[in-house]
Amino acid sequence: EDQVTQSPEALRLQEGESSSLNCSYTVSGLRGLFWYRQDPGKGPEFLFTLYSAGEEKEKERLKATLTKKESFLHITAPKPEDSATYLCAASLSRTALIFGKGTTLSVSS
Amino acid sequence: ETGVTQTPRHLVMGMTNKKSLKCEQHLGHNAMYWYKQSAKKPLELMFVYSLEERVENNSVPSRFSPECPNSSHLFLHLHTLQPEDSALYLCASSQEYGATEAFFGQGTRLTVV
Repeated sequence: EDQVTQSPEALRLQEGESSSLNCSYTVSGLRGLFWYRQDPGKGPEFLFTLYSAGEEKEKERLKATLTKKESFLHITAPKPEDSATYLCAASLSRTALIFGKGTTLSVSS
Repeated sequence: ETGVTQTPRHLVMGMTNKKSLKCEQHLGHNAMYWYKQSAKKPLELMFVYSLEERVENNSVPSRFSPECPNSSHLFLHLHTLQPEDSALYLCASSQEYGATEAFFGQGTRLTVV
């Protein structure tokens, strides 16, 4: 069964304390791996797309990486405004995105 | 206006009511989606339309009825819902159906009483 699993479920960091979120996937024929950010009561906001193992994308304090089995979202020196739920999704051929449950990140000052 | 717009943002309805959720995208995309988001669960895909044709229907109860009159608009008609249908309903669009990023609206928070 195609599946996307995110860990940890929740993560609490101090401002400036770097860490990583994990997204592992067991899908056949991965076409793309997507990261989204979601604030409470709002729709997911697109962050990155990764298409092949070894690929990396960066945006401000966030960097996403992809291997053949998992993806990481690295957060460097986070700030309180980075607090949100981060969603990972996998795309297969001719299907809609398959989402994980998300990691809820809380950054305190 | 740009992006994906959903109305209403909040909806409270009784189990015997009929209501509709509306979604409009201003991105020129060819695919549109309805997702359901409940607490502690991954986003659940409900329906997919590609070029105004329904291409996926993931075992959704018949009390949910989608409509896609053109490539920019998507509706979700609701009738005789149950309290467990209370959730955040999200609309999304993407350039093509498949391996392209999807852009989401702000969602409709639905409460069934």
